[in-house]
Amino acid sequence: GENVEQHPSTLSVQEGDSAVIKCTYSDSASNYFPWYKQELGKRPQLIIDIRSNVGEKKDQRIAVTLNKTAKHFSLHITETQPEDSAVYFCAASMSNTDKLIFGTGTRLQVFP
Amino acid sequence: DVKVTQSSRYLVKRTGEKVFLECVQDMDHENMFWYRQDPGLGLRLIYFSYDVKMKEKGDIPEGYSVSREKKERFSLILESASTNQTSMYLCASSWGGIRYEQYFGPGTRLTVT
Repeated sequence: GENVEQHPSTLSVQEGDSAVIKCTYSDSASNYFPWYKQELGKRPQLIIDIRSNVGEKKDQRIAVTLNKTAKHFSLHITETQPEDSAVYFCAASMSNTDKLIFGTGTRLQVFP
Repeated sequence: DVKVTQSSRYLVKRTGEKVFLECVQDMDHENMFWYRQDPGLGLRLIYFSYDVKMKEKGDIPEGYSVSREKKERFSLILESASTNQTSMYLCASSWGGIRYEQYFGPGTRLTVT
């Protein structure tokens, strides 16, 4: 069935280090891959997205890479700061059902 | 600035009660969504709507129904609440379907006892 797997479920890093979260998807026709950040007690918010016609996208300290052949995409956060601590969700669009399927989330903790 | 509001932040209901969760957006978005968020399971789509009076089933529609009589309002209905529907419910809206940013509401934490 349609699914998106996300790893790791928890990630702890020291401030200043990089963090990488990986997702794999099942639908080879998926063409839209957003990442949402949810701080504790707050609503999810889009931080970056990528479409299947590009392999990488950057926005300041965050970047997303997409490997369509392997059907996986990753979120990279460089120079992490305590305010990066949150739960991050990846998602992928499913072509046959026109739905967005979310991963199970990664809790990132950045220690000062 | 997009604003999505939900009728309650916290709600406690008894098993068997009919429960209404309301969501309102003020940006004239065509598309609205209801998700359920549970620890370790991420965000799961319950129902969505692309237009007034239109509704489509998501991944977990059993036990739920929806209503969209006006463009700005999307209601989630639990016909007969059960304890396994205790969860965080998130509403979202977008202007261009699933391949565009979804703006989420603050969520309603529902407890069914």
